[in-house]
Amino acid sequence: SQQGEEDPQALSIQEGENATMNCSYKTSINNLQWYRQNSGRGLVHLILIRSNEREKHSGRLRVTLDTSKKSSSLLITASRAADTASYFCATAQETSGSRLTFGEGTQLTVNP
Amino acid sequence: NAGVTQTPKFQVLKTGQSMTLQCAQDMNHEYMSWYRQDPGMGLRLIHYSVGAGITDQGEVPNGYNVSRSTTEDFPLRLLSAAPSQTSVYFCASSYNGFYEQYFGPGTRLTVT
Repeated sequence: SQQGEEDPQALSIQEGENATMNCSYKTSINNLQWYRQNSGRGLVHLILIRSNEREKHSGRLRVTLDTSKKSSSLLITASRAADTASYFCATAQETSGSRLTFGEGTQLTVNP
Repeated sequence: NAGVTQTPKFQVLKTGQSMTLQCAQDMNHEYMSWYRQDPGMGLRLIHYSVGAGITDQGEVPNGYNVSRSTTEDFPLRLLSAAPSQTSVYFCASSYNGFYEQYFGPGTRLTVT
């Protein structure tokens, strides 16, 4: 079963608006990562947040992690049409050895 | 650097045929992995390797074989293709399985 579950499954917004995606997971983690996938392409790493961190920023991206609720959120501010993609969270579980477990993704559409 | 390369980009097989999906990386990464991605789903781990000569099973290993004779290459073999193996296959590499993964562009496989 998938460790990470993203919410919502699909999100449609206008350019300039903010987009928020959420990820929940079930077991203790070492870190949580977010990836972007443009249609027909491979995944690209966006940001990694460790289990002892609560918030991290990278450009227009802001990630939060709440280990007590086993959840994370990805905020994209001032969205652009080029942000249209699928976004996946991936967890590195403490008991899983050397591997990540990916969620099912959120499809973000940014309308010009 | 070319990063992670995968060949072929597209492949059509008949049921029962075998083939090898190629993956190579030029970043001297110890960790390499194979995922499959099915419509509306996240990535599921097939096999992974933490270094030359060392491989292990992921979440969905049945019907696939791997070997790792060099740091650079990590081929995935389909032993006897089945329609259930129709999917997009991604290879990834990283310094460590817990951290940022670099993905190839994918191989789209159809089994008829």
